[in-house]
Amino acid sequence: DAGITQSPRHKVTETGTPVTLRCHQTENHRYMYWYRQDPGHGLRLIHYSYGVKDTDKGEVSDGYSVSRSKTEDFLLTLESATSSQTSVYFCAISADRVNQPQHFGDGTRLSIL
Amino acid sequence: GIQVEQSPPDLILQEGANSTLRCNFSDSVNNLQWFHQNPWGQLINLFYIPSGTKQNGRLSATTVATERYSLLYISSSQTTDSGVYFCAYILTGGGNKLTFGTGTQLKVEL
Repeated sequence: DAGITQSPRHKVTETGTPVTLRCHQTENHRYMYWYRQDPGHGLRLIHYSYGVKDTDKGEVSDGYSVSRSKTEDFLLTLESATSSQTSVYFCAISADRVNQPQHFGDGTRLSIL
Repeated sequence: GIQVEQSPPDLILQEGANSTLRCNFSDSVNNLQWFHQNPWGQLINLFYIPSGTKQNGRLSATTVATERYSLLYISSSQTTDSGVYFCAYILTGGGNKLTFGTGTQLKVEL
């Protein structure tokens, strides 16, 4: 499958602490995405990137920031984690052409106590 | 935005049975993906199918964009088919962003 690595795979932390999740790809794809998955909501887009230093908000971006300083890495940061951000986070990538399929990483399970 | 409705929400099958999962859209979509989320949480691409029919082993998918639906067929189901099936449409206008349905939870029993 597509070369996507998410780290960490599991994390437990406390409310108010900063958290950074990393997505690393080896496919040299232009587009990268962060989604969260919650019961009853399916997957929802948080932020996405269309190139190095080029990012935009998704459907549920409040409380999250992202950065992309290299093609292969896309970071998701929770500046001050809240319990409502407990979720499973997925990174995805897609190629630099119109209407290309997305491929997903294995997810990060984040619990905020 | 476009609403995505999947049916049925839950489905239990005996091994060897066939099934059809449906994805309805509130407006025409240009492109669509089907995914299987296995019991370990991994999201597996099944089909990228803007229109027409595609087959991959025991699975096939059909999208009729003009009538705003897509179907996923599972034949001769196996216990390894258990999990959640999602459809998602790709927004036009750049970014290849996906909007997901809420999924169909499938359990295949012996």
